[in-house]
Amino acid sequence: KQEVTQIPAALSVPEGENLVLNCSFTDSAIYNLQWFRQDPGKGLTSLLLIQSSQREQTSGRLNASLDKSSGRSTLYIAASQPGDSATYLCAVKRNQFYFGTGTSLTVIP
Amino acid sequence: GAGVSQSPSNKVTEKGKDVELRCDPISGHTALYWYRQSLGQGLEFLIYFQGNSAPDKSGLPSDRFSAERTGGSVSTLTIQRTQQEDSAVYLCASSLESQNTEAFFGQGTRLTVV
Repeated sequence: KQEVTQIPAALSVPEGENLVLNCSFTDSAIYNLQWFRQDPGKGLTSLLLIQSSQREQTSGRLNASLDKSSGRSTLYIAASQPGDSATYLCAVKRNQFYFGTGTSLTVIP
Repeated sequence: GAGVSQSPSNKVTEKGKDVELRCDPISGHTALYWYRQSLGQGLEFLIYFQGNSAPDKSGLPSDRFSAERTGGSVSTLTIQRTQQEDSAVYLCASSLESQNTEAFFGQGTRLTVV
């Protein structure tokens, strides 16, 4: 069964710092990987989708990479802002989504 | 609508009662997923619909849970004889098709069983 792990579980950084969130998965037979953010009491907001044939995707200050063979993805956030504070979830897709338990990010003004 | 819509947003029910949760996917999306998120827990897969194919029900935790999708659009998740451990946020998502397209989630239904 697919297992998805996210490290660290929680992260606190001062505003302006660049940071990296990590996601690893055990089964490389995936269709794609998607990064989401979840604000307290809210649903999931899609950030980036990386197809299994792609290596990275960029959207604004966000850059996600995928190394399918090693079962790893990273989400790079540049010049962090207090509004980036949220829980970040990665999910790998093979029919259903398999989610990690998330990284809770706090950006301190 | 512009996004995935779920109703109600909050539901409080007495133990033993039945509840129905509704999901309106994005128009034209053929794939629809239900997940639940218990307090402090990760997202737990419940059921997945793809077009006219038989749904993947492998995540439903017991026979008290069922879901249907009428006309390939709206889906209803039904929980019979609710228990306190059913308390969670139930999230629905949809995508254009199953494999290589982005999935979008609704805001969820917070279910509290008292």
